[in-house]
Amino acid sequence: AQSVTQLDSHVSVSEGTPVLLRCNYSSSYSPSLFWYVQHPNKGLQLLLKYTSAATLVKGINGFEAEFKKSETSFHLTKPSAHMSDAAEYFCVVSGPLGGSQGNLIFGKGTKLSVKP
Amino acid sequence: DTGVSQDPRHKITKRGQNVTFRCDPISEHNRLYWYRQTLGQGPEFLTYFQNEAQLEKSRLLSDRFSAERPKGSFSTLEIQRTEQGDSAMYLCASSVTAGRSYNEQFFGPGTRLTVL
Repeated sequence: AQSVTQLDSHVSVSEGTPVLLRCNYSSSYSPSLFWYVQHPNKGLQLLLKYTSAATLVKGINGFEAEFKKSETSFHLTKPSAHMSDAAEYFCVVSGPLGGSQGNLIFGKGTKLSVKP
Repeated sequence: DTGVSQDPRHKITKRGQNVTFRCDPISEHNRLYWYRQTLGQGPEFLTYFQNEAQLEKSRLLSDRFSAERPKGSFSTLEIQRTEQGDSAMYLCASSVTAGRSYNEQFFGPGTRLTVL
């Protein structure tokens, strides 16, 4: 069975400083991994996805994540935080065909706060 | 195309009442998913359809819940005899299948249900 663990429920950074949101996964086979972002009163948006191609994945808005099989990690990073990055971020896992026939398994989320 | 839409955006009901939510997926998407998100948690999978066929239901989907997608386009999720524990955000997502590869799920804004 697949699962994800987001190691921090809340991360606070200053504008212009790096962002690191940590995620560890568990999967019985090669997973597909994703990061979604949820802004208040808005729908979930896909930031980036890993599907067994390059281990360093670049996403939208300057975010990237690195798949590390040896560490079962898929941490999300951004070199310089912007105020507009403040949101809830979800690490998500799916199996080869997508979890159980396509559904996604979400972590509990990390709330990112950005201070001016 | 304006993406996945959900109606209503907010619903307040009294315990014991029935409620129905509607989801309109992106027009060419043949897969439609329902998730539930409670406060402080990530979304949890409820059920999904491929065209009009309901292919999987989570254990979370008690017999008070029923979902339909009669013509393979929009879907409805009905909750009968609502309980306070049903209070949550109900999210709909859609995707298009393409063989065995993962395809991004696009999420709607959700319907927030409050059961008094």
